[in-house]
Amino acid sequence: KAGVTQTPRYLIKTRGQQVTLSCSPISGHRSVSWYQQTPGQGLQFLFEYFSETQRNKGNFPGRFSGRQFSNSRSEMNVSTLELGDSALYLCASALTRGNTGELFFGEGSRLTVL
Amino acid sequence: GENVEQHPSTLSVQEGDSAVIKCTYSDSASNYFPWYKQELGKGPQLIIDIRSNVGEKKDQRIAVTLNKTAKHFSLHITETQPEDSAVYFCAATNTNAGGTSYGKLTFGQGTILTVHP
Repeated sequence: KAGVTQTPRYLIKTRGQQVTLSCSPISGHRSVSWYQQTPGQGLQFLFEYFSETQRNKGNFPGRFSGRQFSNSRSEMNVSTLELGDSALYLCASALTRGNTGELFFGEGSRLTVL
Repeated sequence: GENVEQHPSTLSVQEGDSAVIKCTYSDSASNYFPWYKQELGKGPQLIIDIRSNVGEKKDQRIAVTLNKTAKHFSLHITETQPEDSAVYFCAATNTNAGGTSYGKLTFGQGTILTVHP
């Protein structure tokens, strides 16, 4: 069974640009969550999507947005990039029916903002 | 909201020794406490978890204990091996919150474990 797939794995952007990251969850998983990981702040919850609807949102500015498609694949977008947005962005999927609480993480998209 | 504190931030042990990582949480409604291991260049991977109706859980060399009264839980790794070297994260969540929320965990800051051969 394929794991959570994130693309691209690495990208470099400049301040003011925008970026879109993609996540394909494990087959059958309908919940997709996004986390930002930085050395200073650790792992912070961005948002969660289930059935194409945002279910939960963390404490991030409106420049961070996401969406989920009917096949459960998800994208997140960051507009007007700032230097502080440099981070590893992790996507995690979870079962909804028969949920155990376990999240399955992808390997992340490492964003560098210059 | 939930707040999770994790200690120590770094831990260095000799191969064969035991390692203990401790976490405290603030929200008494939290009922699910997973531990994740993150190796370099990879995403976090669940290694063990415990629910609030259990005080201790063991899986081979790894064990987790939970004290609901004190709101703290700990990870114990015995007979450590060099391949145990990684960053370990504790987390907490209330699986009953929201009805349709499955992916929101509050993580501790992480512990860098180094096992010296």
